[in-house]
This record gives sequence, C-alpha cells and structure tokens, in this order.
Amino acid sequence: DAGVIQSPRHEVTEMGQEVTLRCKPISGHNSLFWYRQTMMRGLELLIYFNNNVPIDDSGMPEDRFSAKMPNASFSTLKIQPSEPRDSAVYFCASSFSDLNSPLHFGNGTRLTVT
Amino acid sequence: TQLLEQSPQFLSIQEGENLTVYCNSSSVFSSLQWYRQEPGEGPVLLVTVVTGGEVKKLKRLTFQFGDARKDSSLHITAAQPGDTGLYLCLTSGSRLTFGEGTQLTVNP
Repeated sequence: DAGVIQSPRHEVTEMGQEVTLRCKPISGHNSLFWYRQTMMRGLELLIYFNNNVPIDDSGMPEDRFSAKMPNASFSTLKIQPSEPRDSAVYFCASSFSDLNSPLHFGNGTRLTVT
Repeated sequence: TQLLEQSPQFLSIQEGENLTVYCNSSSVFSSLQWYRQEPGEGPVLLVTVVTGGEVKKLKRLTFQFGDARKDSSLHITAAQPGDTGLYLCLTSGSRLTFGEGTQLTVNP
C-alpha cells in the first residue's frame, strides 16, 4: 500500500498567487481530512469529507481557502490569493468512517508564501 | 470544540530515563488516540483507548485512559533516542481535535 500521497512536497510562492495542494487517499478509505500545522497553533482541522461530501468545513480560515473531492481517490486544497500567514505544513489524512479508525497521514506539503 | 491540553509541552531527557506525558480535557472523551510525529513526516498512530480505566502496552510504552474518560497518559520506560518525536493526542469528538503535543527529545 502506497499510503496517502500528497503533492507537491514543497511549495514556495509569492503573495497573491494561487496555490493548489493535492492528495490521493488510501484506496478503500471513505473519509479524508485536511489539516494545517504551525508552531503557534499546532495541528488544526480545516475540513473533512465523508464519501466525497464535505461534512465540516468550519475550520477553513476564510473564503480564500477551498477544498474539493471530485472522486474517492483525489482531493485538492486551494488557496487564492495566498498570503504570508498561510505559510505552514498542510497534511492530508484518510481513514475509514468509523470514529475509532486511525488516521493515515501523508508526509505533508510545506508551503512558504513570500 | 473539545479542547485537549497536553503536558509538558517540551521534555528533554537522557537515554534510559522514564517519562510520562499527559492529555487532559474538561469534557468526556468518547475515545482517544495517541500519535507520534517525526520531523518531515505525518503523525502515525500508536494506540486507541476506548474504555475508562483501560491500560494498553506497546513494548516500552504504556497508555492509560482515566476512569472518567477525561484524561490519558503515556508512560515510556527506559527511553531511547528513537523515541524522540512529537507525541499528540486526538479525540474523536465532533471535530477530531488534536492536542498541541509534547515534543520529546531523548539524548544518547
């Protein structure tokens, strides 16, 4: 099993540019999560999907952030326009929908907005 | 949102020492998971505890779930440099909230 695959691994962009982060969950998992990790706030849940449907997006910071899951094997997190305060490591995780199922994380995308 | 408090925030010890880290909340957990995160990687599950008073052992790691299901602890016996990492607790409440983590450094 390849695990959760995220791309790119690193992204450096200028303020105002659009950024798209990508995630391929583990095959068979029906829940997908986007987290953001910073030193100041730790791991924050941005949004999660169940069976490709967004269930809770209350963690999305503002309208500049959007996430989609067009099918069971792919999700994107888009920031438009990006700002320096968006700099963080963004993680995607997948799991079965049982609340006690473990989250399987990708290795993250380190985003730097200058 | 169910808030999780982890302590200590940082811990630096010598190889061979024992240590305990804590995860607490004012609310009752439905269940709790412990993860370890190493630099440049995502968190990896160590254990899930579900029943109040439950104790689970994973080699040198002992996990305990409080009787009232409001707190949990992780005890490491004879720590090794390979135990170095960020230890996170996660509650499966409505928003899958992580604690801020305990950054453990085990020095050889």
